[in-house]
Amino acid sequence: DTEVTQTPKHLVMGMTNKKSLKCEQHMGHRAMYWYKQKAKKPPELMFVYSYEKLSINESVPSRFSPECPNSSLLNLHLHALQPEDSALYLCASSPVVSGSQPQHFGDGTRLSIL
Amino acid sequence: DQQVKQNSPSLSVQEGRISILNCDYTNSMFDYFLWYKKYPAEGPTFLISISSIKDKNEDGRFTVFLNKSAKHLSLHIVPSQPGDSAVYFCAAYHNTDKLIFGTGTRLQVFP
Repeated sequence: DTEVTQTPKHLVMGMTNKKSLKCEQHMGHRAMYWYKQKAKKPPELMFVYSYEKLSINESVPSRFSPECPNSSLLNLHLHALQPEDSALYLCASSPVVSGSQPQHFGDGTRLSIL
Repeated sequence: DQQVKQNSPSLSVQEGRISILNCDYTNSMFDYFLWYKKYPAEGPTFLISISSIKDKNEDGRFTVFLNKSAKHLSLHIVPSQPGDSAVYFCAAYHNTDKLIFGTGTRLQVFP
């Protein structure tokens, strides 16, 4: 059982829709991450939150808007996405932002843009 | 520019034998390395890690070896089991906060 829970598991949306992805962890971790994974490619970092503050934005287009309302919850708000944004979106957490601790991943949300 | 490379996209091993998965990296500033396993429809699961001050780390059937001079690490699974069939990613930390993944190797363990 994964300790990082992502909802929904699947999402299909049109290019004009607004939707949100949700990620929750109850391990007391203070670092949370969003990754994007295209088919047959490795996960690529999008955003890093440290103590509920955005610390890294990997030049992600503004149609992706992250939010960290509290230490357990991470959202990714989606608006006016493009077909090339179809991918698996993974959330991860770690105790703190550190270069020597593993990140724990959720099972992801598979997003399809029509 | 792929800083972490797994040159074998797939590997097939008989049950009970050793599986060796390889990973090369280009950035000499990387100092912490991890291996993740991924089943279809699931997120990556952390397996084992190694710091650059070590050359070997062992956890049960899994051993990771690091050769800093060659910028190479490998994951050994002994003995291999059918449940080990998955995609394996190596990863390295860049600047303490960014995890960079390799392209993955699909391991198939057959009876």
